[in-house]
Amino acid sequence: EVQLVESGGGLVQPGGSLRLSCAASGFTFSSYAMSWVRQAPGKGLEWVSAISDSGDRTYYADSVKGQFTISRDNSKNTLYLQMNSLRAEDTAVYYCAKSERGWYRLDYWGQGTLVTVSS
Amino acid sequence: DIQMTQSPSSLSTSVGDRVTITCRASQSISSYLNWYQQKPGKAPKLLIYLASSLQSGVPSRFSGSGSGTDFTLTISSLQPEDFATYYCQQSYNTPPTFGGGTKVEIK
Repeated sequence: EVQLVESGGGLVQPGGSLRLSCAASGFTFSSYAMSWVRQAPGKGLEWVSAISDSGDRTYYADSVKGQFTISRDNSKNTLYLQMNSLRAEDTAVYYCAKSERGWYRLDYWGQGTLVTVSS
Repeated sequence: DIQMTQSPSSLSTSVGDRVTITCRASQSISSYLNWYQQKPGKAPKLLIYLASSLQSGVPSRFSGSGSGTDFTLTISSLQPEDFATYYCQQSYNTPPTFGGGTKVEIK
């Protein structure tokens, strides 16, 4: 059974940093691209970033480029999102998602972790 | 970026009704269109990929159609567990973009 479990969310002050983790199990993690998608309270879905199966290619939404860094450790079956210079508008539930057959067919999602940026 | 526009943004309907949700892309995306269902407090769930292919385990009352810029998600006979918000998403290029969502509510 595919499982994705996010962690690392919480309350952080504006300008602070946070690193999210997504522990994967039930599939060959190193064979699939992965994405982070966020959802602000009461709002729709926004794709944030993606990384290739090997980790050599990464993509970002313009809204987080230069601010967030996606990475993965295939030996630990774990996906990461390093978030720096956080702003109130980054407040959201962050989901990790597995890609099937390409980059953006997101066939499995984690339960999400809430990031709140507030003083 | 490709803009995805869904309509309606919400609808009130009854168990057993046929429901149709439309999604329009700002440019042609061939058949690179996915549909997701999201229930309150839960993660999205993939229903349909490549416009019309049913994801494994999804009931056959869900179907998708379309290509190019215009797409449709149809629920043939709405069940109580189908009350949720539905999102379309293009997977044609980067960044992948989502529609604004359609909330299906009980009448």
